[in-house]
Amino acid sequence: GDSVTQMEGPVTLSEEAFLTINCTYTATGYPSLFWYVQYPGEGLQLLLKATKADDKGSNKGFEATYRKETTSFHLEKGSVQVSDSAVYFCALSGGTGNQFYFGTGTSLTVIP
Amino acid sequence: SQTIHQWPATLVQPVGSPLSLECTVEGTSNPNLYWYRQAAGRGLQLLFYSVGIGQISSEVPQNLSASRPQDRQFILSSKKLLLSDSGFYLCAWNPDRASSYEQYFGPGTRLTVT
Repeated sequence: GDSVTQMEGPVTLSEEAFLTINCTYTATGYPSLFWYVQYPGEGLQLLLKATKADDKGSNKGFEATYRKETTSFHLEKGSVQVSDSAVYFCALSGGTGNQFYFGTGTSLTVIP
Repeated sequence: SQTIHQWPATLVQPVGSPLSLECTVEGTSNPNLYWYRQAAGRGLQLLFYSVGIGQISSEVPQNLSASRPQDRQFILSSKKLLLSDSGFYLCAWNPDRASSYEQYFGPGTRLTVT
């Protein structure tokens, strides 16, 4: 079945460091891919998405490219800030309906 | 614009007591609705989803149940809570159209069973 495998955390970075959070997926058909962010005590917010191969999603300095050949959707940011501290979830939406599959989440802490 | 509400925001309940969590969506019609649970430090577990009034699919058999009495209302219930029911409960929706699959989440309910 469809699934998402996400890099385990926690990840701790200094401010202005480069961030990569790895995400790979398994899916039949042509899924859409998403990154969500969860700040402490809050619900999940959609950060970015890509709906087809080679699409690049971007938002708030974060980017991820839908790579069909490597079945990956890695999240990157060139210079993280303390305010980026949160839990990040990779997710896919299967092509057979509205089923969503989430990764286990990666906790990011950015220190000044 | 669409908004999603959940209440209560926090809840402390004794073991064996009943539960009712409510989720409502505004600004859209015929949404798909979802209940997730997030245990402390863990990922998301899909509990129920609904594609229409009275239509509920259960992903994990347990002592929880869900109902959708109105188009934009989704309720999560239990007759007798267990300690293991503690967690952060999230409601989500997405539009019922093939062109948009992203889910939008509510603010969540923090449930502590004592």
